[in-house]
Amino acid sequence: IVLTQSPDTLSSSPGETVTLSCRASQTVSNLYLAWYQHRPGQAPRLLIYGAVTRATGIPDRFSGDGAGTDFTLTISRLEPEDFAVYYCHQYDVSPLTFGGGTKVEIK
Amino acid sequence: EVQLLESGGNLVQPGGSLRLSCAVSGLGPGRKFSIYAVSWVRRAPGKGLEWVSTISGNGAGTNYADSVRGRFTISRDNFKNTVYLQMDRLRADDTAVYFCAKDPVGSMRFYFDSWGQGTLVTVSS
Repeated sequence: IVLTQSPDTLSSSPGETVTLSCRASQTVSNLYLAWYQHRPGQAPRLLIYGAVTRATGIPDRFSGDGAGTDFTLTISRLEPEDFAVYYCHQYDVSPLTFGGGTKVEIK
Repeated sequence: EVQLLESGGNLVQPGGSLRLSCAVSGLGPGRKFSIYAVSWVRRAPGKGLEWVSTISGNGAGTNYADSVRGRFTISRDNFKNTVYLQMDRLRADDTAVYFCAKDPVGSMRFYFDSWGQGTLVTVSS
């Protein structure tokens, strides 16, 4: 399954709300889609699994939605630490695949 | 808190070999390392994440991306809480930061709840 993320880069300001898109080339069954945050030099961090479930310790500013082939990650009230690269990941079908990433940068 | 620590990245010539290690700690009481599958994921310069390989908790099951099958070998030592990636016949397009990551339930096809910070592999003459 090929995952296409858009946009490649998103410029925004602290306090704003952004929505990232992840589109799959075929249906991702069982909502087997996750989102990760990756800051430079750090370990990627699991944000969302099962398309909509926040991982332990993830603030409710992060929310996942979608089903089938279209998924979104919304980040509300952007904090300075939210500026990073975000990846979607499907674990429904082997091989596991990731999207190309969306960089959320400070405007 | 679970921690994964990769090591072994280096500069290597095309055709050469390298072995990466991933040491897992902090699982806590009652959570045996041998339960969890561990995977390697890489990020090449300017590109997104690419799954490379996964090994099951008991080491009996392995899976590889087509791009590395036959050149890379994943293994684990459950006494040392460590997973290895032996990389042979390295090519320039293997240049990447290599991350290890574990699953939360013992499945070879699942999301990753913990990741390491990565180790850099550069293949160049």
